[in-house]
Amino acid sequence: DAGVIQSPRHEVTEMGQEVTLRCKPISGHDYLFWYRQTMMRGLELLIYFNNNVPIDDSGMPEDRFSAKMPNASFSTLKIQPSEPRDSAVYFCASSLAGGVTDTQYFGPGTRLTVL
Amino acid sequence: AQSVTQPDIHITVSEGASLELRCNYSYGATPYLFWYVQSPGQGLQLLLKYFSGDTLVQGIKGFEAEFKRSQSSFNLRKPSVHWSDAAEYFCAVAMEYGNKLVFGAGTILRVKS
Repeated sequence: DAGVIQSPRHEVTEMGQEVTLRCKPISGHDYLFWYRQTMMRGLELLIYFNNNVPIDDSGMPEDRFSAKMPNASFSTLKIQPSEPRDSAVYFCASSLAGGVTDTQYFGPGTRLTVL
Repeated sequence: AQSVTQPDIHITVSEGASLELRCNYSYGATPYLFWYVQSPGQGLQLLLKYFSGDTLVQGIKGFEAEFKRSQSSFNLRKPSVHWSDAAEYFCAVAMEYGNKLVFGAGTILRVKS
């Protein structure tokens, strides 16, 4: 099993540019989570999907952030326009059946730097 | 709202020594508790979790954790640390019928030879 795949692993962009982060969950997993990790705020949940449908996006910081899951094997997190304070490591995770009793498997993360 | 406190930002132990990482939570009902480990440049990996039952939970890589309701704690332990255990460790709590994990700030473990 390849695990959760994220791309790119590193992204450096300039303020104002659009950034798209990509995630491929583990095959057969019905839940997908996007997290952001910063020194100041730690690890925080941004949004999660169940069967490709967004369930809770209350963690999305503002309208500049959007996430989609067009099919069971692909999700994107987009930031437009990007700002320096968006610099962070973004993790995608997936779980089989959802609920906190089910283990979440994390991808390696995308380190985003906005100059 | 639930919250998690990991009082120690950094801990250094000698290889072969015992380890205890502290975690305190704030949550009114029965919490679901987790410990994750993050190696440099990697995603998080679940070490162990507690939902109910025996308050001493065994996990992977020789780790264990003990739930103490009276102290609102879920400390992680390992009897003998290996150099490969150097990583950052996160405690997390969740509501019984939810999907959200709330993570602590993490504890960075350094192992000296």
